[in-house]
Amino acid sequence: AQKVTQAQTEISVVEKEDVTLDCVYETRDTTYYLFWYKQPPSGELVFLIRRNSFDEQNEISGRYSWNFQKSTSSFNFTITASQVVDSAVYFCALSERRRDDKIIFGKGTRLHILP
Amino acid sequence: GAGVSQSPSNKVTEKGKDVELRCDPISGHTALYWYRQSLGQGLEFLIYFQGNSAPDKSGLPSDRFSAERTGGSVSTLTIQRTQQEDSAVYLCASSLAGGRAEAFFGQGTRLTVV
Repeated sequence: AQKVTQAQTEISVVEKEDVTLDCVYETRDTTYYLFWYKQPPSGELVFLIRRNSFDEQNEISGRYSWNFQKSTSSFNFTITASQVVDSAVYFCALSERRRDDKIIFGKGTRLHILP
Repeated sequence: GAGVSQSPSNKVTEKGKDVELRCDPISGHTALYWYRQSLGQGLEFLIYFQGNSAPDKSGLPSDRFSAERTGGSVSTLTIQRTQQEDSAVYLCASSLAGGRAEAFFGQGTRLTVV
């Protein structure tokens, strides 16, 4: 069965520091999709990125970057030069292609950016 | 609107009453999900509808919970004989292509059972 582990429950960093949020997944499928979502204090879940299992290229979007490594079943998320507005809960998620399956979320990492 | 719409946004109910929560997905999205988020917790999967396939009900916590999706569009999550532990935010999401595509979330329904 698919599983997503976000071992970091809560992280606090000072503004402008870089921070990496870890995500480790388990799946028996060869085709799968990985996601990151942000949930700011307002509560609405915001989609950040989707990767499929065939594309291991790292991606950068502004201050955000993602490191996908199939060898370690990890899909880590780094925020460079963090800002207070980055404070939120971040969720990693996984779905398996074989059964056009549901998206399963990790328990999330609560990120505090201190001014 | 173009996004996922949920109603009501807030619901307070007495223990033992039944409640219905509604979700209007984005037009054209074939997949619809319900999740539950208790205070400060993660997203707990409840049920997943994808096209004409039988729904995946594997996340429903008890037989008091049920959901239907009519005409491949609007969905209703029903909780019968509500209990205090049912208090949570219930989130609906839809996607264009099941688990292959990103899911877009509604604002949620905050359910409080008193």
